[in-house]
Amino acid sequence: NAGVMQNPRHLVRRRGQEARLRCSPMKGHSHVYWYRQLPEEGLKFMVYLQKENIIDESGMPKERFSAEFPKEGPSILRIQQVVRGDSAAYFCASSPPGTREIGAQYFGPGTRLLVL
Amino acid sequence: QKEVEQDPGPLSVPEGAIVSLNCTYSNSAFQYFMWYRQYSRKGPELLMYTYSSGNKEDGRFTAQVDKSSKYISLFIRDSQPSDSATYLCAMRSPNTGFQKLVFGTGTRLLVSP
Repeated sequence: NAGVMQNPRHLVRRRGQEARLRCSPMKGHSHVYWYRQLPEEGLKFMVYLQKENIIDESGMPKERFSAEFPKEGPSILRIQQVVRGDSAAYFCASSPPGTREIGAQYFGPGTRLLVL
Repeated sequence: QKEVEQDPGPLSVPEGAIVSLNCTYSNSAFQYFMWYRQYSRKGPELLMYTYSSGNKEDGRFTAQVDKSSKYISLFIRDSQPSDSATYLCAMRSPNTGFQKLVFGTGTRLLVSP
């Protein structure tokens, strides 16, 4: 049973370019979350999505960042016009439906973004 | 003040020792508590999941929650070198976005053979 899949695992971008990070949740999971982990810091919540809906984006920076989880295909975290401060590990997690009150989240291996 | 405090370590112990990892928190609304293990440059792996106060045991791992003290612990018995990793506590509250996990910064554990 495949876990949460993320690609690419490593991504290098120059300042001003766009970064696209992809996440495929575990089979049967319909809730997707994105977290960011900066060096020497804990994981910080960014956004929570269900299919075709953004449920909670309270942790997303107001500009340049967007996320989607289309009806078909993986969830995408998009960072436009990247800056050096965007360099971090970005983790996706998923949980199954019907677990709003008790569900634990299962994490993917992460995408490590480096902005030059 | 951070919502969740966790000593970064490193915590160094010999193989076979009992390890105690702890987190304190300030938000009394937290109800669900988790421990994740993260190996270097890997994703967090869910170890333990508990609701409210009490103990939960799974193999060599025991999780304890004391809501009155806002304190949670993870105990590892008979520690092994393969337990060397960073341990992250995480918690959730229905008041701040029910599905949003709030993490501690992690404690790095080193188990020497």
